[in-house]
Amino acid sequence: AQSVTQLGSHVSVSEGALVLLRCNYSSSVPPYLFWYVQYPNQGLQLLLKYTSAATLVKGINGFEAEFKKSETSFHLTKPSAHMSDAAEYFCAVTSAGGTSYGKLTFGQGTILTVHP
Amino acid sequence: KAGVTQTPRYLIKTRGQQVTLSCSPISGHRSVSWYQQTPGQGLQFLFEYFSETQRNKGNFPGRFSGRQFSNSRSEMNVSTLELGDSALYLCASSETSGGYNEQFFGPGTRLTVL
Repeated sequence: AQSVTQLGSHVSVSEGALVLLRCNYSSSVPPYLFWYVQYPNQGLQLLLKYTSAATLVKGINGFEAEFKKSETSFHLTKPSAHMSDAAEYFCAVTSAGGTSYGKLTFGQGTILTVHP
Repeated sequence: KAGVTQTPRYLIKTRGQQVTLSCSPISGHRSVSWYQQTPGQGLQFLFEYFSETQRNKGNFPGRFSGRQFSNSRSEMNVSTLELGDSALYLCASSETSGGYNEQFFGPGTRLTVL
């Protein structure tokens, strides 16, 4: 079975500060990892994905994440927070085929608050 | 391309009733997955359909069912509604079932059970 742990259900930063959202995963097979963002009353939007190519993945809106197999981590970062980044962020894991067909396993989410 | 659409966006039902939710995937996408989102349990996988076949199923009771049509549109049905079924139901489409393909999510259907 796969699982995701997001450390910190709430993260608060000042505008212009570094954003760091933590994600650790558990998987017995090579994982595919994703970060999604959800704004109020909306669905999920993909920020970036890791699918076994480069370990440093760049996504939309200035976000990036680094896959570290030794630490089973996939933390999301952004150098400078904007007010528009305030939302809930989800880390998700899946793998190829079998019991993972079409199934993303999500973390509990991290609500990011950005202060002016 | 148009995104994933879900209808209706909001539903209010009473306990014991049944409900059907609809999802239209992005054109060309053959895989549709369904998720339930609640404050307590978070995002949980319900099931996935590919080419009209259910290929994967989450840990939900048999009251939750789904189907996919030849045009890849999908429906999910919940029978004998319970208060705990109140949730945001999200569907997502993908080109295939392969894990490397990202899932594109619709805006969700907010179901309230009274």
